[in-house]
Amino acid sequence: SYVLTQPPSVSVAPGQTARITCGGNNIGSKSVHWYQQKPGQAPVLVVYDDSDRPSGIPERFSGSKTGNTATLTISRVEAGDEADYYCQVWDSSSDHVVFGGGTKLTVL
Amino acid sequence: QVQLQESGPGLVKPSQTLSLTCTVSGGSISSGDDYWSWIRQPPGKGLEWIGYIYYSGSTYYNPSLKSRVTISVDTSKNQFSLKLSSVTAADTAVYYCARTSTVTTVFDYWGQGTLVTVSS
Repeated sequence: SYVLTQPPSVSVAPGQTARITCGGNNIGSKSVHWYQQKPGQAPVLVVYDDSDRPSGIPERFSGSKTGNTATLTISRVEAGDEADYYCQVWDSSSDHVVFGGGTKLTVL
Repeated sequence: QVQLQESGPGLVKPSQTLSLTCTVSGGSISSGDDYWSWIRQPPGKGLEWIGYIYYSGSTYYNPSLKSRVTISVDTSKNQFSLKLSSVTAADTAVYYCARTSTVTTVFDYWGQGTLVTVSS
């Protein structure tokens, strides 16, 4: 089955840029979506289709993809961005959904 | 605005069947534009997709859970349900229901989640 690999944790100082990666075989052929989850809350979509932002999501959140890796970039990180972040794809070959293992973003 | 709400027992005994229902408001399960999913998250761990159902009754399940999972839909009540059999402590988790557009494949609406504990 398809696997998405994320680093368990990323730390960044306020005002700096955080980059969270999501690796997967042939991920270039798939649309990657990113969710933010704060403690005790349901996940919230922050980037979809690799690089699009839902309405209401700050421009500081952006997505990109190169080779077998997708990246969520958070610019000018704020304390309120501290959360777990998950990437997700729809594996069209099996019609199954796959989540990455999640990355805990710590704002120092 | 679509809203989803999970309901069901918060405590299930080992070897029994976990049963949850998701009630959808602000949108119709029968619209044909969406898939209706169950996702779970064990305490302190990541998200795990369980499966989804289309209004017609077509289902797709996570291969790791397929032998124990049944997802069904009741369009007359605008609800869909999850049954997970032969549960163990490893099935203790927050269970979320969520909507996925057939076009975008993103989970754009989520329920608040409900904690189900498996314990005797």
